Amino acid sequence: QKEVEQDPGPLSVPEGAIVSLNCTYSNSAFQYFMWYRQYSRKGPELLMYTYSSGNKEDGRFTAQVDKSSKYISLFIRDSQPSDSATYLCALKVGGSQGNLIFGKGTKLSVKP
Amino acid sequence: NAGVMQNPRHLVRRRGQEARLRCSPMKGHSHVYWYRQLPEEGLKFMVYLQKENIIDESGMPKERFSAEFPKEGPSILRIQQVVRGDSAAYFCASSPEGGNTIYFGEGSWLTVV
Repeated sequence: QKEVEQDPGPLSVPEGAIVSLNCTYSNSAFQYFMWYRQYSRKGPELLMYTYSSGNKEDGRFTAQVDKSSKYISLFIRDSQPSDSATYLCALKVGGSQGNLIFGKGTKLSVKP
Repeated sequence: NAGVMQNPRHLVRRRGQEARLRCSPMKGHSHVYWYRQLPEEGLKFMVYLQKENIIDESGMPKERFSAEFPKEGPSILRIQQVVRGDSAAYFCASSPEGGNTIYFGEGSWLTVV
């Protein structure tokens, strides 16, 4: 079993839809959870960062962590064509430093 | 505040040549990470460095690859005797001392012909 599983998609939705992106993980030592957005031929851009279980909201984006189920989600409300990108979940073991373990990414396309 | 700066953005090397990729972290960041992204693959951790120290190189291939982060100047990822399989996007990232958020550069795309 891989450390982080993420459905690669592609996922296609109409403009204005609510998008749900998910990752599951196997290592209960992960304590920090991040979502990155990556446009084609660009570097990953940090969207959301959470530490504990629960929800965190930032504008149209909501990150949700359920440590008991080892399941994390990113919701995008009122999706826009500019949201079309690959979304990567990234997890980090506890401690102030250390590398990230990434999911493979979900490719999202928002159609106008 | 400038972000993580990588250069060159694109690099073409013939098989057997050396590739050098440079990374300047964000201002105030003392931790540097290198990741590799193969076509249709996720980002894979390679190495984590602080100034003059390699903290974790568990993702680095044992041969031909090396990394450094000197006291002065950018971090360097060096690939000797490149092969076609080294063709990939190489991303550098940085984080501040005591911080948990990691910020990425725009990447260096290596093509081996």
